[in-house]
Amino acid sequence: AQKITQTQPGMFVQEKEAVTLDCTYDTSDPSYGLFWYKQPSSGEMIFLIYQGSYDQQNATEGRYSLNFQKARKSANLVISASQLGDSAMYFCAMKTYNTDKLIFGTGTRLQVFP
Amino acid sequence: DGGITQSPKYLFRKEGQNVTLSCEQNLNHDAMYWYRQDPGQGLRLIYYSQIVNDFQKGDIAEGYSVSREKKESFPLTVTSAQKNPTAFYLCASKIPGSTRGYTFGSGTRLTVV
Repeated sequence: AQKITQTQPGMFVQEKEAVTLDCTYDTSDPSYGLFWYKQPSSGEMIFLIYQGSYDQQNATEGRYSLNFQKARKSANLVISASQLGDSAMYFCAMKTYNTDKLIFGTGTRLQVFP
Repeated sequence: DGGITQSPKYLFRKEGQNVTLSCEQNLNHDAMYWYRQDPGQGLRLIYYSQIVNDFQKGDIAEGYSVSREKKESFPLTVTSAQKNPTAFYLCASKIPGSTRGYTFGSGTRLTVV
């Protein structure tokens, strides 16, 4: 069965510091993609970053980077130089290439304080 | 601008009534999805459709129904058979086969009283 696990219900970080949000996944499919989404209090899901299972390099998008450790089945999100506007729910998600379904973890609530 | 429109933002219904949530997209995406979000449980897939006039059940389809008569529209009906319908509902779309490019609407918060 495919599963995404986010073990941190909540995280606090001071402004301008870096923070790592954990995500582990489970799948027997060798071809898959991993996503991170941000959900502010308004409710919309904002795409942050994507990592394919065959990508050689860790993905980066501005202040977001994905620490992809395939052998450990982990895909942690690193946010550098946190900003107050980063306070939100963050979801890790996975899609395998033999299905068209995106599976989500339970999310981590990040709070950035001054 | 292209995107997904979900309306209304907030919806209140009496217990036992069916209610239909709207999802419209102008992205020309073939695939559309409905997710349910409850506190502490992340998003769970209700139904999805990869092409007009075709749809498949997701992980929690019981008590819900959908239709896909037009590419742009994928309405979700929450029936009286759904035991716990109060939740936040999100619609999404993408190009089939694309490894990225899921676009989400802003959601509808349904409260059944």
